[in-house]
Amino acid sequence: EPEVTQTPSHQVTQMGQEVILRCVPISNHLYFYWYRQILGQKVEFLVSFYNNEISEKSEIFDDQFSVERPDGSNFTLKIRSTKLEDSAMYFCGSLGWRGGGYTFGSGTRLTVV
Amino acid sequence: DAKTTQPPSMDCAEGRAANLPCNHSTISGNEYVYWYRQIHSQGPQYIIHGLKNNETNEMASLIITEDRKSSTLILPHATLRDTAVYYCIVRVSDNTNAGKSTFGDGTTLTVKP
Repeated sequence: EPEVTQTPSHQVTQMGQEVILRCVPISNHLYFYWYRQILGQKVEFLVSFYNNEISEKSEIFDDQFSVERPDGSNFTLKIRSTKLEDSAMYFCGSLGWRGGGYTFGSGTRLTVV
Repeated sequence: DAKTTQPPSMDCAEGRAANLPCNHSTISGNEYVYWYRQIHSQGPQYIIHGLKNNETNEMASLIITEDRKSSTLILPHATLRDTAVYYCIVRVSDNTNAGKSTFGDGTTLTVKP
């Protein structure tokens, strides 16, 4: 069964550093998403991406965040200057043209120290 | 997206059917009901979705009331591996919409031996 692949599985970074979280969505999917989950809290929407542009973003997704699909296969989330409160699991999801449910990756655990 | 209400927790005996309710009394005519689950800190896993008819797949059945104000996810023969947080989400679904899904607190299902 096709999978969404996320790398790395765990990243530790110092406060103020830039991080890039990488995702390889399912190859024929059209819609791409980033969600995050702070330990013990809800899964929160960050951003959706379609047709090479952001289609919707949440209040969390401020100027420190950006997304790119640089080569037609990878989908990246960049956090420019990490804060302690960015520590969370980050999940990438994708959705095909038929709609239905998202397929999520197994996540990247980001720890900001 | 319409708001959903789920019980915070439920128990189920292994091998028995697990029936997870969801209330979505403000659902709009073009909104679908989706179910996902999250096992420990893994990425959410899509289970099933429906508009107004009952649906069944290899994982579960979805029963939607005639007025569409509530639904029930049925796991016909629960196993220990079905222990997870189950999320009921309503959202518009068509192939021009890349909109977000809003995850609530869900129902923590514990399957007991």
